[in-house]
Amino acid sequence: DQQVKQNSPSLSVQEGRISILNCDYTNSMFDYFLWYKKYPAEGPTFLISISSIKDKNEDGRFTVFLNKSAKHLSLHIVPSQPGDSAVYFCAASDQGGNQFYFGTGTSLTVIP
Amino acid sequence: EPEVTQTPSHQVTQMGQEVILRCVPISNHLYFYWYRQILGQKVEFLVSFYNNEISEKSEIFDDQFSVERPDGSNFTLKIRSTKLEDSAMYFCASSEDRMETQYFGPGTRLLVL
Repeated sequence: DQQVKQNSPSLSVQEGRISILNCDYTNSMFDYFLWYKKYPAEGPTFLISISSIKDKNEDGRFTVFLNKSAKHLSLHIVPSQPGDSAVYFCAASDQGGNQFYFGTGTSLTVIP
Repeated sequence: EPEVTQTPSHQVTQMGQEVILRCVPISNHLYFYWYRQILGQKVEFLVSFYNNEISEKSEIFDDQFSVERPDGSNFTLKIRSTKLEDSAMYFCASSEDRMETQYFGPGTRLLVL
């Protein structure tokens, strides 16, 4: 039962352009969402989060958008840099916060 | 910057053997978690731990699994009798509070033969 879905397993973007990574969820009780970045042979690293009371959160080159009615969130990276090449995981939690549900990840390649 | 550490980085074991995966969470964190990622699949939640007891566990976390905080710094995951399907990357994470960001360790790659 996949409660968090990332339907694009991979994405390639030219350096300097915008990268848009998408995530859909099914559980309407989810109210806290995070994006993690993962390099090979390393653990996931926190990138940015958003709670359901907001529809946008920005941190430097990274912006997360939340559309609660569509149960959809996206991560925008602009401008994309080669060092952004990694696997990006979307994760969601309900108000309990004990358990985070992860998507399957999207592998981003930024081409110099 | 404080970080979560895990040992060993790799573990190879025979089916049926017991393994203990170790984690040192960030020192002022109170919530601890174990996740696993089978190769090519999503990261799956196993268990959360707070105040010296399990606060939530997934259906993956059956009687073969146990967690412990044996002292003030370590957080361990024990698999009592490993199965082939336990082969995965196991990540430990910790957070200051329940809804705070979880910081992940680098993982332990477990291979069960």
